[in-house]
Amino acid sequence: EDQVTQSPEALRLQEGESSSLNCSYTVSGLRGLFWYRQDPGKGPEFLFTLYSAGEEKEKERLKATLTKKESFLHITAPKPEDSATYLCAVQVLHGGSQGNLIFGKGTKLSVKP
Amino acid sequence: GAVVSQHPSRVICKSGTSVKIECRSLDFQATTMFWYRQFPKQSLMLMATSNEGSKATYEQGVEKDKFLINHASLTLSTLTVTSAHPEDSSFYICSARDLGLGFPYFGPGTRLLVL
Repeated sequence: EDQVTQSPEALRLQEGESSSLNCSYTVSGLRGLFWYRQDPGKGPEFLFTLYSAGEEKEKERLKATLTKKESFLHITAPKPEDSATYLCAVQVLHGGSQGNLIFGKGTKLSVKP
Repeated sequence: GAVVSQHPSRVICKSGTSVKIECRSLDFQATTMFWYRQFPKQSLMLMATSNEGSKATYEQGVEKDKFLINHASLTLSTLTVTSAHPEDSSFYICSARDLGLGFPYFGPGTRLLVL
């Protein structure tokens, strides 16, 4: 069964304190791995997509990496506005649902000033 | 980037009534749209996949007669919650897949509260 597990469930950081969020996945065949940011009461906002092991992508203070088993979202010198829930999702190669995403439960990040 | 809208953003209704939620892709054509439900502090759970011009495919455990989906055009899909009950109260989110990019963009969500 295709599965996505995110850890930790919640993370509290001080402003400027760098850290990483983990997304472990077990799928029959990975088409792509996606990171989204979700603010309370809003839909997910696309951040990154990664397709192959070794791939890395960066955007401002965020950097996403991918291996054959997991992905990390590194946050460098976070600011309070980075506080949100970060969702990881995978798209499988032979999914019966035509490219839908399988989501993890998310990591709720709180950055204190 | 691609934009997906939902209407309404928030709705409160009485138990037993039906509620329609619209999902539109504003600047691209979406042959496939997905409907998700998210309960508090939970992740997004796929309810159904909607294809333009054909019947929706529902995930296991989702009642097709209760959650009616219509994908009438390449830019519009609707979800109707029929005879809504308090347990249907949730955050409903749609996403639309752009063929050119291959992965879906999400709408802002609709908060449904059934009294």
